[in-house]
Amino acid sequence: DAMVIQNPRYQVTQFGKPVTLSCSQTLNHNVMYWYQQKSSQAPKLLFHYYDKDFNNEADTPDNFQSRRPNTSFCFLDIRSPGLGDAAMYLCATSRDGGAVYEQYFGPGTRLTVT
Amino acid sequence: GQSLEQPSEVTAVEGAIVQINCTYQTSGFYGLSWYQQHDGGAPTFLSYNALDGLEETGRFSSFLSRSDSYGYLLLQELQMKDSASYFCAVKGNMLTFGGGTRLMVKP
Repeated sequence: DAMVIQNPRYQVTQFGKPVTLSCSQTLNHNVMYWYQQKSSQAPKLLFHYYDKDFNNEADTPDNFQSRRPNTSFCFLDIRSPGLGDAAMYLCATSRDGGAVYEQYFGPGTRLTVT
Repeated sequence: GQSLEQPSEVTAVEGAIVQINCTYQTSGFYGLSWYQQHDGGAPTFLSYNALDGLEETGRFSSFLSRSDSYGYLLLQELQMKDSASYFCAVKGNMLTFGGGTRLMVKP
């Protein structure tokens, strides 16, 4: 089945220790998104890639970076995690920019910062 | 910018009908999406309305009134498995999510 896969599902890191979350998709979608979701809140868009074009949301902290080496894979790097970065990180895709209304989400990576 | 309002919590009994409302204020609007998210799970796309009116998909229907900046999700014949959070989301250049409505279905 075509899908969005995120690894790991659970990640524990120490305060200030860099961490990388990964996402892959078999849908062959052009657009990939990274969201941060804290408990009982809406998903908050961090950035997205339209193909290889990177688009950062204005309020995304510099601490968060992303890479998309090819169509299938996308990575979220948190350079110096703080306690406030503990959250669920969701990766999503859409067929193209026009289809942003219909996104396919991965199961998420729950990040704990100790 | 975008702002969306939806009730934080709704409770209903199995077999009943429930309506989850969403009002929005936005500088650019192309349509309204609805997503379902079970606890610990990923959001799942339910429906999208670009035009005014009602869209029906099985037990779920979604309505949009662009002139009133208002939409709703209607869930019929509620089942226990419908207990989840439901998010409305405005399509502008990107998708902006509301705060979510937690639906609890009781026997």
